[in-house]
Amino acid sequence: EAQVTQNPRYLITVTGKKLTVTCSQNMNHEYMSWYRQDPGLGLRQIYYSMNVEVTDKGDVPEGYKVSRKEKRNFPLILESPSPNQTSLYFCASSRGDRGRNEQYFGPGTRLTVT
Amino acid sequence: GDSVTQMEGPVTLSEEAFLTINCTYTATGYPSLFWYVQYPGEGLQLLLKATKADDKGSNKGFEATYRKETTSFHLEKGSVQVSDSAVYFCALKKAAGNKLTFGGGTRVLVKP
Repeated sequence: EAQVTQNPRYLITVTGKKLTVTCSQNMNHEYMSWYRQDPGLGLRQIYYSMNVEVTDKGDVPEGYKVSRKEKRNFPLILESPSPNQTSLYFCASSRGDRGRNEQYFGPGTRLTVT
Repeated sequence: GDSVTQMEGPVTLSEEAFLTINCTYTATGYPSLFWYVQYPGEGLQLLLKATKADDKGSNKGFEATYRKETTSFHLEKGSVQVSDSAVYFCALKKAAGNKLTFGGGTRVLVKP
């Protein structure tokens, strides 16, 4: 089954404790992206990757890091989480040729930073 | 920059009522337009899309027409069911990229 998986689904942590949210897709997609969802703001892009070893900032990259060492994986790293990073996070992937391709979303990771 | 504006919710309807969710966009060029749906506790699923002016996207009884003259992509369904209760997101994607720009989402609640 074609899918995007994220782990963990739920995470409660404290300010400053480094964490990683994993994302994996099994569709051989070139493009992967992270979004955060906040009430009334919709989804905003954090980082994206066009292919292995190619990453770039989205609209709200501050406080986040990513890496793309393998095509299927695109982890999101919070080196020193803060309460304003409490949010619902989604990973997405699509084929690399641009424009009209559907993006497939993971189930989401709800992060709470206290 | 690009932006998408959709009506705020929540929208509360009775079963079999007509649903309209307004969506307008601001973008240069000719973006593709999408409606995504998020059911409780789940990720986003593509509901329908349109890639050029006057295209109509349709799926599961939902429809939306790409209106370039009014920069709109309103979502409609003629007879909603309780199972349509969800959050609906309008989004656009430029032809030259993969990034989706989302509206704020509209929560729809359908009561029996």
